[in-house]
Amino acid sequence: GAGVSQTPSNKVTEKGKYVELRCDPISGHTALYWYRQSLGQGPEFLIYFQGTGAADDSGLPNDRFFAVRPEGSVSTLKIQRTERGDSAVYLCASSTRGQGPFNEQFFGPGTRLTVL
Amino acid sequence: AQSVTQPDIHITVSEGASLELRCNYSYGATPYLFWYVQSPGQGLQLLLKYFSGDTLVQGIKGFEAEFKRSQSSFNLRKPSVHWSDAAEYFCAVGAVGGGADGLTFGKGTHLIIQP
Repeated sequence: GAGVSQTPSNKVTEKGKYVELRCDPISGHTALYWYRQSLGQGPEFLIYFQGTGAADDSGLPNDRFFAVRPEGSVSTLKIQRTERGDSAVYLCASSTRGQGPFNEQFFGPGTRLTVL
Repeated sequence: AQSVTQPDIHITVSEGASLELRCNYSYGATPYLFWYVQSPGQGLQLLLKYFSGDTLVQGIKGFEAEFKRSQSSFNLRKPSVHWSDAAEYFCAVGAVGGGADGLTFGKGTHLIIQP
């Protein structure tokens, strides 16, 4: 079956511009995660959705970052007034969610964002 | 807050040789531990995970990892590496309930395979 897809695969923008990054999770996965991976670093947690609501947004670096998941499936990560430091690969993951142990997170290929 | 340390940024191994990648974690309770592999242009792929029970965990592609609570370690091993194992490897720890459900990753170890 189809995995997690992310669009675009690459995005180049200018400092100060607004960008939207899209994630399409695996069908039926209720949990969705966004991570940011800077060069030479491991992925860093940004936000977690359970259904339509953001269950944990503690990883969002500041109020320029916002994410939505209005119908509980596709999610959009929105970055306002982009800065050069926002340049990174933005990863999305999804999982089933229920009682018991951690459920495996399946990752998409990422969107490489470059802010000039 | 939990944290993960991968002490080796790069490791070079000859094809056919054994491999051990180190991972140390910091977490107040019993952790959920994971190893992921990331190949160029590919998404992160789960190799194996530890939740509880047997401390030696078998994964895909011939990898295994051993959880050692006394050393706060979860090292990844493979008895004989193949050229296709060249990639970036990430150790991660998961928090259990009560807050962030996201994973905390180490900085990764870049594995180079020599012919």
